[in-house]
Amino acid sequence: SYVLTQPPSVSVAPGQTATITCGGNNIGSKNVHWYQQKPGQAPVLVVYDKSVRPSGIPERFSGSNSGNTATLTISWVEAGDEADYYCQVWDSSSDHWVFGGGTKLTVL
Amino acid sequence: QVQLVESGGGVVQPGRSLRLSCAASGFTFRSYGIHWVRQAPGKGLEWVAVITHDGSKKYYADSVKGRFSISRDNLKNTLYLQMNSLRAEDTAVYYCAKDTSTYCRGDCPPINWGQGTRVTVSS
Repeated sequence: SYVLTQPPSVSVAPGQTATITCGGNNIGSKNVHWYQQKPGQAPVLVVYDKSVRPSGIPERFSGSNSGNTATLTISWVEAGDEADYYCQVWDSSSDHWVFGGGTKLTVL
Repeated sequence: QVQLVESGGGVVQPGRSLRLSCAASGFTFRSYGIHWVRQAPGKGLEWVAVITHDGSKKYYADSVKGRFSISRDNLKNTLYLQMNSLRAEDTAVYYCAKDTSTYCRGDCPPINWGQGTRVTVSS
């Protein structure tokens, strides 16, 4: 089965850029989707189809994808961005959705 | 606006059954696929199942295949998850979530999520 690997945690100071990676075999050939989840809340889709932002998501959130790594970049990080972030792909070989293990973003 | 409201959660003994419901409003329900995603206490997100807009295709995670069944009633704007032979490891908050686009084949990510319903499997 397809596996997505994320770092457990990332820390960044306010105003800096946070980079959260998601590793998977040839993930560059897949559409990658990213979710933000704050404690006690449902997930929120922040980037889908590699780099599309849903309505209401700030331009500070962007996605990229190449080779074996997909990346969620959050520019000008704010305290309110502190949350867990999950990547997700559709594995067409198994007709399964797969989530990464999640990355806890801490704003210092 | 889009609303998804899950219900039916609770405490159930191992081996028993439970049926979750997800009442939808604010969009054309019959045009969108819907997912179930769960989250065990203190753990990450786990996809459970997805059903296409017309119910013609259903896909399941290996961990629930053969025990859980996803279905929908497009006249009642309601999604269901029938959970049989429940195990302790099924303990989680269960979310329903709507596809980003209409008429997907099960391969569109969910964009609108409910607030979840908690299921606890314990003797």
